[in-house]
Amino acid sequence: ELKVEQNPLFLSMQEGKNYTIYCNYSTTSDRLYWYRQDPGKSLESLFVLLSNGAVKQEGRLMASLDTKARLSTLHITAAVHDLSATYFCAVDISNQGGKLIFGQGTELSVKP
Amino acid sequence: DAGVIQSPRHEVTEMGQEVTLRCKPISGHNSLFWYRQTMMRGLELLIYFNNNVPIDDSGMPEDRFSAKMPNASFSTLKIQPSEPRDSAVYFCASSFRTSSTDTQYFGPGTRLTVL
Repeated sequence: ELKVEQNPLFLSMQEGKNYTIYCNYSTTSDRLYWYRQDPGKSLESLFVLLSNGAVKQEGRLMASLDTKARLSTLHITAAVHDLSATYFCAVDISNQGGKLIFGQGTELSVKP
Repeated sequence: DAGVIQSPRHEVTEMGQEVTLRCKPISGHNSLFWYRQTMMRGLELLIYFNNNVPIDDSGMPEDRFSAKMPNASFSTLKIQPSEPRDSAVYFCASSFRTSSTDTQYFGPGTRLTVL
């Protein structure tokens, strides 16, 4: 069965702290996406990781991909309240055809 | 760019009624996706099109669901007859699929409530 599993599902952090969200998937894929969703809003693309070893950074967020381990991480550095949202990873299971399977989402709450 | 446009933004209907959701993709994009989001099942891909042609509809839950893309700038998702368990947020997304990148851009969604 195809699975994309995120860990943790809920994360409460203090401002200034670092943390990592993990995304494990059960099928071969060399394309992984990270999205952000604010409550009641749509999904916003954060990163596209296209190959093994890919690393991308934007502000306080850094994403990486290990296709051999079927694992992606989203690292948060010195969290701020504005990062509070739900973060989804998604795996392309169609050999770059665009068929995405999403993880359950990680609800992040950053508190002062 | 206006982004992906969806209408209506909210729809409340009664069980048994027909519901039509509409989507206008980003101009120039060649792939279009319909997703459903619920608390219980998360985000699910229902169907997607490449160059207006349906490629994979394996996520469409039942024959009550149908989707069309008559041209590059318009798509519909129809539910007939609707049932309370169809209540969800339906997202449309589009992308320009190339070998190097095909980020999917999501529309604002349609919140459907079936009473």
